[in-house]
Amino acid sequence: DTEVTQTPKHLVMGMTNKKSLKCEQHMGHRAMYWYKQKAKKPPELMFVYSYEKLSINESVPSRFSPECPNSSLLNLHLHALQPEDSALYLCASSQDGTVNTDTQYFGPGTRLTVL
Amino acid sequence: AQRVTQPEKLLSVFKGAPVELKCNYSYSGSPELFWYVQYSRQRLQLLLRHISRESIKGFTADLNKGETSFHLKKPFAQEEDSAMYYCALSGVGGFKTIFGAGTRLFVKA
Repeated sequence: DTEVTQTPKHLVMGMTNKKSLKCEQHMGHRAMYWYKQKAKKPPELMFVYSYEKLSINESVPSRFSPECPNSSLLNLHLHALQPEDSALYLCASSQDGTVNTDTQYFGPGTRLTVL
Repeated sequence: AQRVTQPEKLLSVFKGAPVELKCNYSYSGSPELFWYVQYSRQRLQLLLRHISRESIKGFTADLNKGETSFHLKKPFAQEEDSAMYYCALSGVGGFKTIFGAGTRLFVKA
């Protein structure tokens, strides 16, 4: 399996809901990333996990809570989101867990709409 | 501050014409630069990276540290090259990746 998969593809949620995004890879990669991409904008880094430990948190609001339960799985827990959080959420992984000079492999994204 | 600049939002060329997508960066360390591409209805994927010095789908990019540039070039554009292209700077402060704003390339028949 040489792909990063993300579920769900689409998610609509209210501002009081709690939901989770899931990302999975079975390439043995040791770094995993969450990005947020607004329409017609580049991806913006949110979080990086290296060897299942949080390495970077780009000052993301606490209503976004990442989790890396094992080396293949990355979750993003969502709670009390705002309409401006509506975006495409991309997951990526890269082989080297020590530095980010490797190619990143992206998932197809989850299109999130917050009502 | 670290920054990646792609000055053109949209680049439109005719099939068979040369194409150059510009990328300039600002980074005091040793840059690791990439070009990622997103074709219609496909995921973001690597096109090439400066360290490998490859030619992928006829595209090349040379890192010019003096001009802090990493322009993407192809001598003869094809219609299937139409896509969104992002220049990216990696390894900033460990794992951080900074993407440029992107250039949409449109190759006309």
